Amino acid sequence: DAGITQSPRHKVTETGTPVTLRCHQTENHRYMYWYRQDPGHGLRLIHYSYGVKDTDKGEVSDGYSVSRSKTEDFLLTLESATSSQTSVYFCAITPGGGGNEQFFGPGTRLTVL
Amino acid sequence: QQQVKQSPQSLIVQKGGIPIINCAYENTAFDYFPWYQQFPGKGPALLIAIRPDVSEKKEGRFTISFNKSAKQFSLHIMDSQPGDSATYFCAASSAPGYALNFGKGTSLLVTP
Repeated sequence: DAGITQSPRHKVTETGTPVTLRCHQTENHRYMYWYRQDPGHGLRLIHYSYGVKDTDKGEVSDGYSVSRSKTEDFLLTLESATSSQTSVYFCAITPGGGGNEQFFGPGTRLTVL
Repeated sequence: QQQVKQSPQSLIVQKGGIPIINCAYENTAFDYFPWYQQFPGKGPALLIAIRPDVSEKKEGRFTISFNKSAKQFSLHIMDSQPGDSATYFCAASSAPGYALNFGKGTSLLVTP
């Protein structure tokens, strides 16, 4: 899993509660990404980061925010979870300082009741 | 809208067969085309990738064929094995550090 850890690996929460997912890497990779995977949709980009405190929106960013206060951690926050955010969330990195390759973490399965 | 269209949605082949998965794109700015393999409960794993300056790339039993004029690319799995049973995703991106645009995936089953 490209040296990426994600936590928690599974979470069940209720509608309206805040949720934060963590992606951690130890190789000083500059680029980090959050995707969600849903049946019939493949993987879709939520947000990405190109450095500490440098982030940008992806295709499906509504309802999500991110923060990257240090190189190794990229946090995804659902301010007020909704059932439509039930999904599997994957973090990815691009090795080194750039390039096209992306390697994915093991994923977090989130269920919003 | 889906920037990369993948077909078929599912595929069943016998051991030793050659499954072929196809993808098409419209954005001519795309210049990197990877394929990912995903097993249940795991993250997608990079399998093989190609750039538009070559028409074919092989890595082991996996081959990408690329047709720049048709804006299509495909994955061929030679001598397929039951262990190749997984979901395969094609993707495309336009620049380093940019998002990967994924197809919707193909579920492959290789029967013994």
